[in-house]
Amino acid sequence: GESVGLHLPTLSVQEGDNSIINCAYSNSASDYFIWYKQESGKGPQFIIDIRSNMDKRQGQRVTVLLNKTVKHLSLQIAATQPGDSAVYFCAENSGGSNYKLTFGKGTLLTVNP
Amino acid sequence: NAGVTQTPKFQVLKTGQSMTLQCAQDMNHNSMYWYRQDPGMGLRLIYYSASEGTTDKGEVPNGYNVSRLNKREFSLRLESAAPSQTSVYFCASSGRDRIAGANVLTFGAGSRLTVL
Repeated sequence: GESVGLHLPTLSVQEGDNSIINCAYSNSASDYFIWYKQESGKGPQFIIDIRSNMDKRQGQRVTVLLNKTVKHLSLQIAATQPGDSAVYFCAENSGGSNYKLTFGKGTLLTVNP
Repeated sequence: NAGVTQTPKFQVLKTGQSMTLQCAQDMNHNSMYWYRQDPGMGLRLIYYSASEGTTDKGEVPNGYNVSRLNKREFSLRLESAAPSQTSVYFCASSGRDRIAGANVLTFGAGSRLTVL
């Protein structure tokens, strides 16, 4: 999984498999977390978010899990498709009046047909 | 809706030259941001503007200046470009997402800058 300070990790899966991308965060004061997807040559795109008062949130084919005890966040993608191939970033907002995010370094997901 | 539009998409500069990256959003967002992205690294905040008329430094502001021209536009200027500023620059704006129901960053497509 990804964490600030590590080289870009990679995950390779077969089409149709489920993917799990992990992220560790360091700021226990962070109250809001987001997953972004970045395809080659494009800007990051919002996937799903979760607030610190929740431990799970589901979207379309995606689920985010938050474990505040160990400061860990994961993104699960069901039935992964070739179009899911991208770099996935987690981001945390440590709060405050200004909306500033701290991004992880990303995980490269490759889906093999 | 065009979302967030950045120009130029590509630029090559010589050390010491100056240039301005332009950014405009049509989503009526209050907040706008400039990030840089370097290989193998996440996005790092250069400057942001929480609302029209205000700007603040982010994590890596040295060598850059910004102008929040109006609610729609937020420009990033390199007064004297250095090779260390070779990067991909992303502009973003934030506002309440209709689906997510939360403040969400919407990014532009990026501007790839090379400083020789």
